[in-house]
Amino acid sequence: RKEVEQDPGPFNVPEGATVAFNCTYSNSASQSFFWYRQDCRKEPKLLMSVYSSGNEDGRFTAQLNRASQYISLLIRDSKLSDSATYLCVVNEAGTALIFGKGTTLSVSS
Amino acid sequence: DTGVSQDPRHKITKRGQNVTFRCDPISEHNRLYWYRQTLGQGPEFLTYFQNEAQLEKSRLLSDRFSAERPKGSFSTLEIQRTEQGDSAMYLCASRRQPNTGELFFGEGSRLTVL
Repeated sequence: RKEVEQDPGPFNVPEGATVAFNCTYSNSASQSFFWYRQDCRKEPKLLMSVYSSGNEDGRFTAQLNRASQYISLLIRDSKLSDSATYLCVVNEAGTALIFGKGTTLSVSS
Repeated sequence: DTGVSQDPRHKITKRGQNVTFRCDPISEHNRLYWYRQTLGQGPEFLTYFQNEAQLEKSRLLSDRFSAERPKGSFSTLEIQRTEQGDSAMYLCASRRQPNTGELFFGEGSRLTVL
């Protein structure tokens, strides 16, 4: 079983749409959770951390469900510039960050 | 520029040759990570250092791969007797201790093995 699994993509949505990505992780000892964004032919960059109580950053909302070992990212009012690959990342204390395969989002006008 | 830098950016080699990549992390970052990424996949963890100590190495990393960080600053990743399956983007990242979460990645070193 893979450690971090994400929704298969790609997601193709029109501008203004709301889109949600899901992610599950296998290691119940995982302590830190993140979403990274990777543009085509670029390096990954941190989008946001994911906190137990859920957190929001503008149009982006992240949720964590430790019992189900599930993480989500919601993007509201999608923009063309949101087109990218979104990587779910999980970290157990003292170990490396483990990345999911990524989900590709394409926003069209 | 005070970001993570990697060298070379591109390397084309013949099967069986050895290659070495270098990574210079952000200067105040204690932790340095190496990942490998192929098309359509997320970054795959290879190994990481805290200062000069190599703390973890992926089970997927064959003995042809070796990494060092001799003075706790820059790091090198060497691949011996390269195989076509080694063709990938090799990404280096660093972050400050304690665990702040954010990894800062370099632009990567793309390896093509012919």
